[in-house]
Amino acid sequence: DVVLTQSPLSLPVTLGQPASISCRSSQGLLSSDGNTYLHWFQQRPGQSPRRLIFKVSNRDSGVPDRFSGTGSGTYFTLKISRVEADDVASYYCMQGTHWPHTFGQGTKLEIK
Amino acid sequence: EVQLVQSGTEVKKPGESLKISCKGSGYSFATYWIGWVRQMPGKGLEWMGIIYPDDSDTRYSPSFRGQVTISADKSTSTTYLQWTNLKASDTAIYYCARGLSTVDHWGQGTLVSVSS
Repeated sequence: DVVLTQSPLSLPVTLGQPASISCRSSQGLLSSDGNTYLHWFQQRPGQSPRRLIFKVSNRDSGVPDRFSGTGSGTYFTLKISRVEADDVASYYCMQGTHWPHTFGQGTKLEIK
Repeated sequence: EVQLVQSGTEVKKPGESLKISCKGSGYSFATYWIGWVRQMPGKGLEWMGIIYPDDSDTRYSPSFRGQVTISADKSTSTTYLQWTNLKASDTAIYYCARGLSTVDHWGQGTLVSVSS
């Protein structure tokens, strides 16, 4: 299975400050169709996950432009330019290139 | 509007069987893959398996193959996750999610609690 390793696992951030989460894959995620199926999800406490970013850098509808995704190959990053109280959640990367699809361990963002 | 609506909370005993459901609406149910994801208490997300309702092509994650059965009924736009011999370690929230290489919509989750 492809292992996705997120860092850090816990992320205390001051309101208004930036935050960054990395996701490293044990295998390259470039698919034979030319797409890289690496996505980012937000899961607020008590809620279902919600997709924020798909295929590395594409923001979903309704997602604030404070969220951005970058990366290629085996290294990917989710950035929040200015953290707001509403961003308290766990964040997961997920790869859909290789079966079985896998998630990272999750990063818990809290307000400092 | 795309919706995935899951069946309600289940409280079961070890050794019992269970089938939970996920009903899709607002899109062409048969032509989108639907997957199941487990979240154990306080833990992360794990892919269990995925099914294409139109022809019931099913793929299981190796960790879950033989432990659960995934099925679909395209006539009712519903997919199912089934156990025949529940264990306490099956206690978790189970989510259905639409998509193959990516997931764009999630169900609200079904809590399954297994305890003697």
